Amino acid sequence: QFTLKESGPSVVKPTQTLTLTCTFSGFSLTTPGVGVGWIRQPPGKALEWLAVIYWDDDKRYSPSLKGRLTIMKDTAKNQVVLTMSNMDPLDTGTYFCAHRLGSWFEPWGQGAPVTVSS
Amino acid sequence: DIQMTQSPSSVSASVGDRVTITCRASQDISNWLAWYQQRPGKAPKLLIYAASSLYGGVPSRFSGGGSGTDFTLTISSLQPEDFATYYCQQANTYPFTFGQGTRLEI
Repeated sequence: QFTLKESGPSVVKPTQTLTLTCTFSGFSLTTPGVGVGWIRQPPGKALEWLAVIYWDDDKRYSPSLKGRLTIMKDTAKNQVVLTMSNMDPLDTGTYFCAHRLGSWFEPWGQGAPVTVSS
Repeated sequence: DIQMTQSPSSVSASVGDRVTITCRASQDISNWLAWYQQRPGKAPKLLIYAASSLYGGVPSRFSGGGSGTDFTLTISSLQPEDFATYYCQQANTYPFTFGQGTRLEI
């Protein structure tokens, strides 16, 4: 059984850098084909894919946010870290990490709510 | 980016009804499409992958179809737990993109 859980600050100030950690169990990011992605959801709005990292350290980012995003893995700790720089109130929302199953995302973590406010 | 457009944005239905949601891609994505269900305050769950394959444990009343640019999600007989928001997602090309969601209401 795969489980994932997001952790990080619930409030950040504008212009600050957000650091979120996804801690997972039941699978390894050293296994070929495995990936972990990040997806966010502004309040009352649709899902937006942010980034994904694979077992071979291949990384892909959303072009609209590239330059602000960095994704990294720590295989020893079974963690994936996402940083997003220069936070803006428009970045407020719930941030999910998810196991990449083939080309799809399942399961997902419970989500981490983030509010950007001074 | 590939744009994913769902219709309708919301639909009202009753228990036992048959409902179909559509998703259109702005370019050919073959069968690289998934459907997710999201209940209020919860994380999305995978229902259908590769356009028409039912994910393990998902009830058989859910079915998916289509290829290329036009796709459908059909729920054959609505149950109370099916009232939720549904999203399509393309995995043909980075960046992966989601539809805007279809809210299924009583």
